[in-house]
Amino acid sequence: AQSVTQLDSHVSVSEGTPVLLRCNYSSSYSPSLFWYVQHPNKGLQLLLKYTSAATLVKGINGFEAEFKKSETSFHLTKPSAHMSDAAEYFCVVSEKGYSTLTFGKGTMLLVSP
Amino acid sequence: EPEVTQTPSHQVTQMGQEVILRCVPISNHLYFYWYRQILGQKVEFLVSFYNNEISEKSEIFDDQFSVERPDGSNFTLKIRSTKLEDSAMYFCASRAGSGANVLTFGAGSRLTVL
Repeated sequence: AQSVTQLDSHVSVSEGTPVLLRCNYSSSYSPSLFWYVQHPNKGLQLLLKYTSAATLVKGINGFEAEFKKSETSFHLTKPSAHMSDAAEYFCVVSEKGYSTLTFGKGTMLLVSP
Repeated sequence: EPEVTQTPSHQVTQMGQEVILRCVPISNHLYFYWYRQILGQKVEFLVSFYNNEISEKSEIFDDQFSVERPDGSNFTLKIRSTKLEDSAMYFCASRAGSGANVLTFGAGSRLTVL
């Protein structure tokens, strides 16, 4: 069975400082991993995805994530936070051909001026 | 950029009433999904739909739920007799086809059952 743990329910950063959102996964197979973001009153938007190619994945808006099999982690990072990054971020795993995604509980990113 | 459109954005209903949530997936997509998120909990898979039939469903998706693609553009989720615990945000998603492993989600429909 697959599962995802997002280690922080809330992360607060100042504008211009680095962002780290942590995610650990459990999967019986070679998983596909995703990060989605949800801004208020908006849909879930795909930030980036890992599907067994390069372990360092670059996404939109300057975000990237590194797949570390030995640590079963897929942490999301950004070098410099922007006010517009404030949103909820979901780490997602899929191991069965994409039909059923398993979501983490989400991490709310708060960015202060 | 193509979008998945959901209506209504928010619906309030009385317990026992029927509710239909509507979704317009991206036009050339072939796979359709419903997920839901109860307040404070994880986003959960409900059902997937392909070629005019359910391809997979979770244990949440019991006989009270049904899905339909009535006219080739809309994809609906019907809850026959709503319960308090059906209160949640319901997300529709679509995907292009085999090999395209990215789901595009709508903004969600918030259902409140009183």
